[in-house]
Parts: sequence; structure tokens; C-alpha cells
Amino acid sequence: EVQLVESGGGVVQPGGSLRLSCAASGFNFDVSTMHWVRQAPGKGLEWVSLISWDGDSTYYADSVRGRFTISRDNSKNSLYLQMNRLRAEDTALYYCVRSTASYYPFDYWGQGTLVTVSP
Amino acid sequence: DIQMTQSPSTLSASVGDRVTITCRASQSINRWLAWYQQKPGKAPKLLIYKASNLESGVPLRFSGSGSGTEFTLTISSLQPDDFATYYCQQYNTYSRTFGQGTKVEIK
Repeated sequence: EVQLVESGGGVVQPGGSLRLSCAASGFNFDVSTMHWVRQAPGKGLEWVSLISWDGDSTYYADSVRGRFTISRDNSKNSLYLQMNRLRAEDTALYYCVRSTASYYPFDYWGQGTLVTVSP
Repeated sequence: DIQMTQSPSTLSASVGDRVTITCRASQSINRWLAWYQQKPGKAPKLLIYKASNLESGVPLRFSGSGSGTEFTLTISSLQPDDFATYYCQQYNTYSRTFGQGTKVEIK
């Protein structure tokens, strides 16, 4: 059974940092492209970042580029998102998501971890 | 970035109705379009990929069509389990933009 389990969310002050983790199981993580997608409360879905299977290629939404860093550890079947200089508008449920390869849709989603940026 | 525009934003329908949701891309995305269904408190679920291919396990009442910049998701006979929010998404570029969503409500 495929599982993506996010952790690391919480409440942080504006300007602060947080590191999200995603533990993957039930599929070949080390050949999968992985993403972070977020959803602000009551709002739609926003793609945040992508990392290639080998970690060599990373891409970011304009809204987070320069503040967030995506990484992975294939030996631990884990995906990460380092979030710095957080803003109120970063408040959202963050999903860990898989696509088979870079130009494939999102076939597996975690249940999300909530990040709240508030004074 | 490619912008995705869905219409309508909200749709009120009854069980048994035929429902169509439209998604327009700001530039051609060939057929690199997916549709997702999201229920409250749950993660989105992939329904259709490459514009018209049904994901395994998805009921045959769901279908997709289109290419280039205009796409549709059709539910042939709406069932109680289908009341949810639907999102289109382009994956023609690495920046995977979503439409703003269409909420299908009970009439």
C-alpha cells in the first residue's frame, strides 16, 4: 500500500522557519518525481515545488522561490521542504505528492501537514 | 506561467444530472491535463490524465475531452458520492498550475 506521511507542521511567527518531512512507502521512491502542493484554508490547490528522482533538478513556484528549498534522501525514502522567511500567506495545508516522472500527473497524495504563520 | 481558468466556480445539480465543467489554459498544453476530485478534509484524488484517460478504479460515468487550450470534464449521471470540488491541472510545464476549482453542490 502506498503511503505518504507528512510531518513537521505547526505554528510559527512571520519571518520564522520550519522544515517539513514526508515519509514514503509502498512504491519505488528513488525513481519517482516528488512535489509539495499547498492549500490555504478554504482555498484552492497551489503547486509549490518539484524535485527530480535523483535530486539534481528542483523547481519552485514564484511565490516561494528563494525562501523554500526542496530536498530528498532516497536512502531514507524521505522528502523535505525547508521553509524560511515565512509569511502569513504561507499558511496552508502542505501535501507531499508523487508523480511517476516529471511530466506525469499527481497519482499519490499524503494527508497533509498544517503550517500556520501567525504573530 | 500558464494560467488555468475553470468554469463555473460553483454548480448546483441533482442526482442523475449530466454535469460538465470547463477548463481553459492561457496557452496550448497539448493534452497534458489532469482532473482531480477533492472532498472536504481529504486529499485530492486523480480522476483523469492526459485529458481523456480514466485513472484505474474511477467510475465510467466520468469522462474528459479536449486538447490545446480547452478541456471539459463530464459526469454522465451525477451520483451522491460525486458532490465534491473538482480541479483541473496542467502538467505541460514543470510549474504545475491548477484551476481555481469547481464545487459541485446538491440542488
